[in-house]
Amino acid sequence: DAGITQSPRHKVTETGTPVTLRCHQTENHRYMYWYRQDPGHGLRLIHYSYGVKDTDKGEVSDGYSVSRSKTEDFLLTLESATSSQTSVYFCAINPTGSYEQYFGPGTRLTVT
Amino acid sequence: ILNVEQSPQSLHVQEGDSTNFTCSFPSSNFYALHWYRWETAKSPEALFVMTLNGDEKKKGRISATLNTKEGYSYLYIKGSQPEDSATYLCAPHAGGGADGLTFGKGTHLIIQP
Repeated sequence: DAGITQSPRHKVTETGTPVTLRCHQTENHRYMYWYRQDPGHGLRLIHYSYGVKDTDKGEVSDGYSVSRSKTEDFLLTLESATSSQTSVYFCAINPTGSYEQYFGPGTRLTVT
Repeated sequence: ILNVEQSPQSLHVQEGDSTNFTCSFPSSNFYALHWYRWETAKSPEALFVMTLNGDEKKKGRISATLNTKEGYSYLYIKGSQPEDSATYLCAPHAGGGADGLTFGKGTHLIIQP
């Protein structure tokens, strides 16, 4: 599982509330990613990070912010959740020097 | 954002039959192509990373080929088994570095006993 955990694994929240999802890795990898999975769209990149305090936007970054204050944690924040952000969120890591990305177990978020 | 096409979208195959499906991508500025296997309620699992034109990779009954000049890759499954049922995703990677991946929408494979 490449030492990746995500928390929470499931969350139900109301429209307009802030939500933070956490991705934690234990192997000191430099590159980390947040994707969302939606029917008909597959996996789409939200944000990624190439080191502490270094982040960049992906394809569907609107409505999301990220922070990486420590190598092991990459946080995804929905400042004001909307129903369109109901999705399964996957974190991934890219071991330094490797092409491959390895995925965490996912967080299912429902915004009511 | 890369334009990645996978076909077919879904596929029903009889157990024991062989099958294949396609990933098409822009041939310009190619860096690598990833194939992932994704079972329902699990996280995507890396199958292959391919970088060179003409590359062939194999893992058990699953193999893949790559044509970077014309912008396509084939995934083959020989002698399909029920445990092969999954969605197969491809993700071409343009440029260097470790940017995030642009995935195709996948081929959903169902193996019928």
